[in-house]
Amino acid sequence: NAGVTQTPKFQVLKTGQSMTLQCAQDMNHEYMSWYRQDPGMGLRLIHYSVGAGITDQGEVPNGYNVSRSTTEDFPLRLLSAAPSQTSVYFCASRSSYEQYFGPGTRLTVT
Amino acid sequence: GQQVMQIPQYQHVQEGEDFTTYCNSSTTLSNIQWYKQRPGGHPVFLIQLVKSGEVKKQKRLTFQFGEAKKNSSLHITATQTTDVGTYFCAGVSGGYQKVTFGIGTKLQVIP
Repeated sequence: NAGVTQTPKFQVLKTGQSMTLQCAQDMNHEYMSWYRQDPGMGLRLIHYSVGAGITDQGEVPNGYNVSRSTTEDFPLRLLSAAPSQTSVYFCASRSSYEQYFGPGTRLTVT
Repeated sequence: GQQVMQIPQYQHVQEGEDFTTYCNSSTTLSNIQWYKQRPGGHPVFLIQLVKSGEVKKQKRLTFQFGEAKKNSSLHITATQTTDVGTYFCAGVSGGYQKVTFGIGTKLQVIP
């Protein structure tokens, strides 16, 4: 039982490049989310999904796309990376009672 | 949109002293969650409070949810160096049960 896994752990992108951050969970949770964490800003919700085929925007969705084709996977796509997207990205999966976070992806955009 | 304020942002305590962090929401919450994040780590779920006025304890940690379900607190009795980290509250509300995090309280414990 791996919980929530994220890949890659570290990534450096050049401005304008695109990439996909992967997230998977093996707890059969319907609800999954993506957060970014910046110093002094706490955790901010980017996008979330309440089940396969259903996604919605959080507080800071611009520049990011998501889709949810299976219960297990919830990838986050950066369409055209910008330096303002340098951050630590966490994927989370939750039940009615608790929420589990993945180990995070540290992204630097130069 | 929903806002969750958390104070203080930083707290230094001597080992053995008590510590409290407070959380206040701009709207009534369905429930509130608390997390701990160690430096370089990911947030780890501590507890969820659901009922108005609820109080829950985990060893030296006491969590409270206000009567109006808009505020909450986490109190640590007799801090230890293992308590070092950032403590976040997160308010849950709305039809899709969105989670909004407070800014966190970074706790330093001086041995």
